[in-house]
Amino acid sequence: DQQVKQNSPSLSVQEGRISILNCDYTNSMFDYFLWYKKYPAEGPTFLISISSIKDKNEDGRFTVFLNKSAKHLSLHIVPSQPGDSAVYFCAARTNQFYFGTGTSLTVIP
Amino acid sequence: GAGVSQSPRYKVAKRGQDVALRCDPISGHVSLFWYQQALGQGPEFLTYFQNEAQLDKSGLPSDRFFAERPEGSVSTLKIQRTQQEDSAVYLCASSLGRGAGETQYFGPGTRLLVL
Repeated sequence: DQQVKQNSPSLSVQEGRISILNCDYTNSMFDYFLWYKKYPAEGPTFLISISSIKDKNEDGRFTVFLNKSAKHLSLHIVPSQPGDSAVYFCAARTNQFYFGTGTSLTVIP
Repeated sequence: GAGVSQSPRYKVAKRGQDVALRCDPISGHVSLFWYQQALGQGPEFLTYFQNEAQLDKSGLPSDRFFAERPEGSVSTLKIQRTQQEDSAVYLCASSLGRGAGETQYFGPGTRLLVL
């Protein structure tokens, strides 16, 4: 049973525009959410996180939004850059971490 | 500074062979995690160590999988009598603190192919 879902396997965005990556979850006990970025042949790298008591967290070009009532999480990247092209995983925590299946982002120069 | 390292990076095994995958966490990190990532999927939790103690092994798929961290630093994931369905990337992650909520730093993974 997939508790964290990323329904879009891929996304293409023009350089300079906004990238929006979405994530849905089913377990209301999750208390912490993270986004990881992964380049080919490398392990995932932590990007940004949010506690369940907040609805927004911003770090430079990256903003994570949490809608607890909808059990929905999104990552906004603005402006998008070609170096942002990677696979993005969302993850959620109870006593362990649960990962989504990832969204491959391509930023077109 | 040095990140999490894993070896080997690639491993090809014949079905039935035993394999051992090594993880060197970031120095001083208390917590260590193993994940299995199948093709096209996200990482799935296997097991968690706090220092040398294995606190959670609920994600290990069968008794053919065994993990240890005898001195609280380097960890080894062993898979006995490998099967084709064991083919995956095995990721190791470490975090500084004791809580499962600490940010995890991942290694590059070991890609295992069982023929």
